[in-house]
Amino acid sequence: DVKVTQSSRYLVKRTGEKVFLECVQDMDHENMFWYRQDPGLGLRLIYFSYDVKMKEKGDIPEGYSVSREKKERFSLILESASTNQTSMYLCASLTPGGYGYTFGSGTRLTVV
Amino acid sequence: GEDVEQSLFLSVREGDSSVINCTYTDSSSTYLYWYKQEPGAGLQLLTYIFSNMDMKQDQRLTVLLNKKDKHLSLRIADTQTGDSAIYFCAESKGSNYQLIWGAGTKLIIKP
Repeated sequence: DVKVTQSSRYLVKRTGEKVFLECVQDMDHENMFWYRQDPGLGLRLIYFSYDVKMKEKGDIPEGYSVSREKKERFSLILESASTNQTSMYLCASLTPGGYGYTFGSGTRLTVV
Repeated sequence: GEDVEQSLFLSVREGDSSVINCTYTDSSSTYLYWYKQEPGAGLQLLTYIFSNMDMKQDQRLTVLLNKKDKHLSLRIADTQTGDSAIYFCAESKGSNYQLIWGAGTKLIIKP
């Protein structure tokens, strides 16, 4: 089974801090995704990557950047954290052939 | 536009069947998915259906697809307390299988 690991389950950061959220998958998948999840809004795509060093903006990229230096690792960066970025962040990896995403356990980020 | 719609809540009695409904807009979607999210956890793929199928059954789960009405449903037979979760409907889009998500339906089980 594919495993997608997010480095932290819970994180508390201060406004203005630079925040790194790490995601690692172990199945050599090309496509990886970062979502944020807020109550009543479902999942919103922040960025995705279809290969090493390749990235595309999703629906809500403002205030975020990403890094994909190695195929297995996709990092989400909050350049200067703000309170409206308090959310649950979910990383996913795509199984080729349309067989769906595998998600990590999520990182609940609180910005104070 | 692109929109996947679901009710936000569904309440059923333990032992009854649950039916969670979803409507989507993109008739070119190749796959449609149901994901389950238990409290505090990530999303877990429950089942998916290819767009040329009408129905798929997997143990207590039945997925029905009405392409004409762009309507997808998930039926859970003999609902148990362990089925309490948020259920997300999603449709695929494009060759890189980006997913368009519904807002999720919270399934509440009454004893």
